[in-house]
Amino acid sequence: NAGVTQTPKFQVLKTGQSMTLQCAQDMNHNSMYWYRQDPGMGLRLIYYSASEGTTDKGEVPNGYNVSRLNKREFSLRLESAAPSQTSVYFCASRGGGSSTEAFFGQGTRLTVV
Amino acid sequence: SQQGEEDPQALSIQEGENATMNCSYKTSINNLQWYRQNSGRGLVHLILIRSNEREKHSGRLRVTLDTSKKSSSLLITASRAADTASYFCATDGGAQKLVFGQGTRLTINP
Repeated sequence: NAGVTQTPKFQVLKTGQSMTLQCAQDMNHNSMYWYRQDPGMGLRLIYYSASEGTTDKGEVPNGYNVSRLNKREFSLRLESAAPSQTSVYFCASRGGGSSTEAFFGQGTRLTVV
Repeated sequence: SQQGEEDPQALSIQEGENATMNCSYKTSINNLQWYRQNSGRGLVHLILIRSNEREKHSGRLRVTLDTSKKSSSLLITASRAADTASYFCATDGGAQKLVFGQGTRLTINP
């Protein structure tokens, strides 16, 4: 049971480059999330998708776009990477209803130089 | 700003002692959850308390929730070296939006 899988695990980008972070879950969860975590900090919500076909902004959406491709997959795109987007990105998924726990991927460490 | 704010930001105690971490939040919630993170890895769910509950236990964990004060606490009893990690609270205010606090870094000294 893979759970939540993120790819890639590591990435170095040059300022201005674009890339897409991929996330897939195999738990048939309705909700999926993208967070970023800066050193010594908590997780900040970038975007989330409460169900297939919907996406909503979180706390720090600027500079990012998302796509809920299907129920399994939720991708995060950086159109023009900036050094301020250097961070660890976590994808998470959650089943139906608000009283459910979130399951996390192992993270993508992104460095923008 | 983030919904949940934990304090203290860092806590260092001796093995065997109890560890208490607090979380405050700003808006109404459906539930509050606590997660643990080891060394920058993905978070792992520990315990969930619903807005109509005041206290919940799971093994060595005890969580309280005071909705009138918009605060929660996580107590880890009889701490072990393996409990060394960062602990985060997360709030769900509805519409599946799950927001985390900044966390407490807990160090258990042998």
